[in-house]
Amino acid sequence: AQSVTQLDSQVPVFEEAPVELRCNYSSSVSVYLFWYVQYPNQGLQLLLKYLSGSTLVESINGFEAEFNKSQTSFHLRKPSVHISDTAEYFCAVSDPSNQFYFGTGTSLTVIP
Amino acid sequence: DVKVTQSSRYLVKRTGEKVFLECVQDMDHENMFWYRQDPGLGLRLIYFSYDVKMKEKGDIPEGYSVSREKKERFSLILESASTNQTSMYLCASSSPQGTQYFGPGTRLTVL
Repeated sequence: AQSVTQLDSQVPVFEEAPVELRCNYSSSVSVYLFWYVQYPNQGLQLLLKYLSGSTLVESINGFEAEFNKSQTSFHLRKPSVHISDTAEYFCAVSDPSNQFYFGTGTSLTVIP
Repeated sequence: DVKVTQSSRYLVKRTGEKVFLECVQDMDHENMFWYRQDPGLGLRLIYFSYDVKMKEKGDIPEGYSVSREKKERFSLILESASTNQTSMYLCASSSPQGTQYFGPGTRLTVL
């Protein structure tokens, strides 16, 4: 079974500053990788995913994540955050058997 | 776009009541999931289903059951609600590549 580690449970950052949310997973077998975002009292929305191909994937709202196989990481980054980015972010991994594993989440708070 | 809907956004029930949470997806996905989400614990898988009338226990099935009579609908049942089942319940369905798509969630309070 996989395990997914999000090292930071809370990340406060000032508006327009860069941010990195870290995600590591346990196994180097072929996996699919995902980041989800959850706004207060809502479900999870898919932010971006890596299935194959380019190791750098981007979302429509300026986030990007890079798959690093050697470090088994899939960190999420944004060069300049907005107030509206305040939310909970979940990293997830699915393995070849389509089992899905979530991290415990990182709460991003953007400070004006 | 995939759409996953859940029957209620907020629900308040009394201890001992039978509770039904309904989930419907419109993408003909075979796999559907029920999670609960609690502060500090992340998402925990309760049950999942990979086909009609098929179900598998997840990590925390105790106190819950499920029903999948039609491909698009996956129901979570609390036979006798207890206060420790107060939580946010999230339904998801997954594409053939494994991407999961979530409903808006049901915040259940058991008094």
